[in-house]
Amino acid sequence: DQQVKQNSPSLSVQEGRISILNCDYTNSMFDYFLWYKKYPAEGPTFLISISSIKDKNEDGRFTVFLNKSAKHLSLHIVPSQPGDSAVYFCAASARYNQGGKLIFGQGTELSVKP
Amino acid sequence: NAGVTQTPKFQVLKTGQSMTLQCAQDMNHNSMYWYRQDPGMGLRLIYYSASEGTTDKGEVPNGYNVSRLNKREFSLRLESAAPSQTSVYFCASSEAGQYGYTFGSGTRLTVV
Repeated sequence: DQQVKQNSPSLSVQEGRISILNCDYTNSMFDYFLWYKKYPAEGPTFLISISSIKDKNEDGRFTVFLNKSAKHLSLHIVPSQPGDSAVYFCAASARYNQGGKLIFGQGTELSVKP
Repeated sequence: NAGVTQTPKFQVLKTGQSMTLQCAQDMNHNSMYWYRQDPGMGLRLIYYSASEGTTDKGEVPNGYNVSRLNKREFSLRLESAAPSQTSVYFCASSEAGQYGYTFGSGTRLTVV
């Protein structure tokens, strides 16, 4: 039972354009959402997060949008750069989870072409 | 700062062999985690330790055991390795109740 789903395994975007990565979740108890970025042969690194009390959070070129009614969040990267090419994981956590356990999606591999 | 250090980086085991994956963090974090990454499955939680002296099962604990040796170290043991345990294993740490995990660089394990 996949509680966090990223239905697009891969995405290819031209440099300078917008990249939109999507994530859906099923557990209505999730109250905090994060995006992680992973390069080959490295561990995931934290990128951006959003609390369920907000619908948007922005950090430089990265913006995360949350639609609670649709149980959907998205990561926008504008403008996309070749260095953004990586696997992006969506993650979620529920208030009742002691220790801050994160549930991850399957990941989306983004390729930004020059 | 080293952050989260995992050893070894690569390992090949024969079916039935045992081994321990080591993880240490130098950020004084209370919570530590073990995940495995498989194609099409994302990162799945194996075990976690909310604080020193406690451990709990995650989504996929079968075939694994853990030890929170002290606040810094959290090891993952495979008692009898199976080909289904071929994966990339990541250790992570965080402050208790905080969601920003710091991950190690991973251990690539192959069981033949």
